[in-house]
Formats: sequence, structure tokens, C-alpha cells
Amino acid sequence: EVQLVESGGGLVQPGGSLRLSCAASGFTFSSYDMHWVRQATGKGLEWVSAIGTAGDTYYPGSVKGRFTISRENAKNSLYLQMNSLRAGDTAVYYCARYEYSYGTFDYWGQGTLVTVSS
Amino acid sequence: QSVLTQPPSASGTPGQRVTISCSGSSSNIGSNTVNWYQQLPGTAPKLLIYSNNQRPSGVPDRFSGSKSGTSASLAISGLQSEDEADYYCAAWDDSQVWVFGGGTKLTVL
Repeated sequence: EVQLVESGGGLVQPGGSLRLSCAASGFTFSSYDMHWVRQATGKGLEWVSAIGTAGDTYYPGSVKGRFTISRENAKNSLYLQMNSLRAGDTAVYYCARYEYSYGTFDYWGQGTLVTVSS
Repeated sequence: QSVLTQPPSASGTPGQRVTISCSGSSSNIGSNTVNWYQQLPGTAPKLLIYSNNQRPSGVPDRFSGSKSGTSASLAISGLQSEDEADYYCAAWDDSQVWVFGGGTKLTVL
């Protein structure tokens, strides 16, 4: 059974940093692209970052230069280093597996809440 | 403001057929496939439809998707109370980002 479990969320002050983790199990982690998607309370979904199997990374303009996605295949783990956090980054952060044959995210974690506030 | 446009709400009675629209542009829906996600209250999104009209294993055939030009639709037939959820469309945009709709809250009356 595919499982994605996020951790590392919490309360952080504006300008601060936080590192999220996503523990994967039930599939060959190294063979899949992985993504982070966030959702502010009561709002829609927003794509945050992606990392390919070769370690190539992708970001939207809203987080580029502040967030860094990485992976550690030996530990079946995905990470998101978030720096220079702003109030607008407050959201539940989900990690999601990208299934190439579907062309989309087929499994999602339960999410971890990040709150940026003084 | 979301790149893909969805109606904020939709409703129907049990057994009815409802449709949810998703409007985009030539750089996303117009040139790439559309996916739909269902998000039950308090839970993570779940893949409902991929590649415009394909259902993953386990998704009932009451759910169907279609795409025409720069718009897509999700149809739910034989509406059931457990279908009450938020529904999101998504597509890859040629500007190298994934884009989502703002979500449609479906109420079963």
C-alpha cells in the first residue's frame, strides 16, 4: 500500500525557516517524480515544487529562490526547505507522487500545517 | 486568483446528474490533459479522473470527464450523499507550472 506521511510543520515567524519531510512507503520511491502542493485554509490547491528521479527541480515563481525541494532515495524521503517565510505561505503542505503513465498526482499524503505568524 | 476557472459551488439531489466546468487557456487545458481531484471534508485530495476522461481503479463509473478546446467538465451521475466534497481540476501549463482550479464545493441536497 502506497503511503506518504508528511511531518515538520508548525508555527514560524515571518522571515523564518522550516524543513518539511515526507516519508514514502509501499512503492519504489527512487522511480517516481515527487511534488509538493499546498492549500491555504478554505482556499484552493497551489503547486509548490517538483523533483524528478534524476534530481532535477522545478518551482513556480511564488516560491523560487526561497524554497528548495530535495530527496534522499536511500531513506525513501522527500524534503522541502522553506526559507524567508511569509504570511502568505501559511497552508497545509501535501507531498504527492507523480504517476508518469497517468500524467498526474496519483497519491497524496495527509498534509502538514505550516503557520507563518508573529 | 486561480489560473483555471471553476464555479465556486454546485448542488443536486440524490440520483441527479451534475456537471462541474473548468475553463482554462491554450497554454494549459488547450494543449495538455486535464485531471480532477475529489477532496472530502478534512482529508487530502484524491485522484478522480486523469487524462481528461480516465478513471483510476476503484473510482465508480458514475464519475466521468470530458474536454473540449480550452474547457473541461466533470460529470457525476446518480448523485449520492457521499459525493459531497470539493472538486478541483488541474493541468500542466506550458509555462512549466502545474495549475489548479479554485475548486467547486458540491452540496447534495
